[in-house]
Amino acid sequence: SQKIEQNSEALNIQEGKTATLTCNYTNYSPAYLQWYRQDPGRGPVFLLLIRENEKEKRKERLKVTFDTTLKQSLFHITASQPADSATYLCYVEDSNYQLIWGAGTKLIIKP
Amino acid sequence: DAGVIQSPRHEVTEMGQEVTLRCKPISGHNSLFWYRQTMMRGLELLIYFNNNVPIDDSGMPEDRFSAKMPNASFSTLKIQPSEPRDSAVYFCASGGEETQYFGPGTRLLVL
Repeated sequence: SQKIEQNSEALNIQEGKTATLTCNYTNYSPAYLQWYRQDPGRGPVFLLLIRENEKEKRKERLKVTFDTTLKQSLFHITASQPADSATYLCYVEDSNYQLIWGAGTKLIIKP
Repeated sequence: DAGVIQSPRHEVTEMGQEVTLRCKPISGHNSLFWYRQTMMRGLELLIYFNNNVPIDDSGMPEDRFSAKMPNASFSTLKIQPSEPRDSAVYFCASGGEETQYFGPGTRLLVL
């Protein structure tokens, strides 16, 4: 069955640098992949969706890539700010309508 | 729109008691999801509905858990009898075609 793997260790980045988070899936490429942000005590918030036939998607300081050969999506935050500190979750829906969430990566932006 | 509304926001109960969590999805959304989140297990999908019909309830832990969606604007998740291991944050989310919008969650503590 499809699995999502995200780095379980927290990622510490200096303010102003680019933060890059990784989402790997194990089996077939999903039709689309989504990234969510979750702050402590709150529900996840949708950020970006990228489809299988798209290589890259951008939204302001955010960029997502989708590499079906590597079975991987990368999530970039450029010019990172302390307010970007949160847990970022990767999510896919496979062809069997299974909804699969990654465990999330905690991002800490240090001033 | 007020977003997804969940009640109560906090619930403290004793083992063996019945717990009912409530959710009002965003108007016009045809999918509704119930999740449970703990530090140990992360975000777990319990059940989801499409057009008020349960599509996948494979994540419901056991017979103590039940969920209903009597109409497009209301859903309940019931735990009877509750146990200490049910302590978690329970999220309801609603969605249209692809993305999900989460409510603020119900923090449940079973003593």
